[in-house]
Amino acid sequence: GENVEQHPSTLSVQEGDSAVIKCTYSDSASNYFPWYKQELGKRPQLIIDIRSNVGEKKDQRIAVTLNKTAKHFSLHITETQPEDSAVYFCAATPGSSYKLIFGSGTRLLVRP
Amino acid sequence: SAVISQKPSRDICQRGTSLTIQCQVDSQVTMMFWYRQQPGQSLTLIATANQGSEATYESGFVIDKFPISRPNLTFSTLTVSNMSPEDSSIYLCSVDLSPGNEQFFGPGTRLTVL
Repeated sequence: GENVEQHPSTLSVQEGDSAVIKCTYSDSASNYFPWYKQELGKRPQLIIDIRSNVGEKKDQRIAVTLNKTAKHFSLHITETQPEDSAVYFCAATPGSSYKLIFGSGTRLLVRP
Repeated sequence: SAVISQKPSRDICQRGTSLTIQCQVDSQVTMMFWYRQQPGQSLTLIATANQGSEATYESGFVIDKFPISRPNLTFSTLTVSNMSPEDSSIYLCSVDLSPGNEQFFGPGTRLTVL
C-alpha cells in the first residue's frame, strides 16, 4: 500500500525566513496531495493541496510543488511568521481511493 | 465548507469498557472517515464509514474492536470496544465534501483509558 515519508521531523527558522517541508510517496497512482496544519489541541486544517496534473500551486505565502517522476512533493512557506508555528502533515490519496495516508509530521517553530 | 461536530469532546474511561463517539455534519456528504491520532503522532486511518453498508477497515483495525455505523449521509459513530490504556488517543472523523478528495476534520474526541 501507499507509504508517505516526511522530512524533517522538526524545523526551526527565524521569523521572515522561508521553510521547506518535503514528502515522498510510494504509489505512482496517487493523484491528490493535501497539506494540513495542526495547532496544539486543534483539529488538522487543510491549508493547500495539489493534484497530479499540476506541478505547482501557490496561495499567498504558501506554495506546493509536485514532482511525479521522483514521487515527491514539498511545502514552501515564505516570510514566516510566529503564527506559522504548528505541526504540518502531508498526505497522499493512493490510486482510485478517497482515503488519505499521512506523513509523520513536521513541527515548525518560527522564532520571533 | 461544512460544520462538523463530535461528541463527546473528551472522556476518561475505565479499561474493559466501551465508548461510542458520534460525528455529525450539517450537510450530506459522500465519504466519512475515522482516524486515530496517538499522542504526539500522525493520523492513522481506522476505516471508511460507508452509508448503508459495512465499514471498510484498514490493516490493523478490526470491526470487533472498532464497530462503525453510518445510518445516513450526515452521521456516523465509532465505538472503541473493550478499551485498554493503549487506546488512549484522539479520535477524529473527517468528511469528503466533494469528489475532489478535500477532507475536513471534526474537532476530535480525546480519550483517556485508565
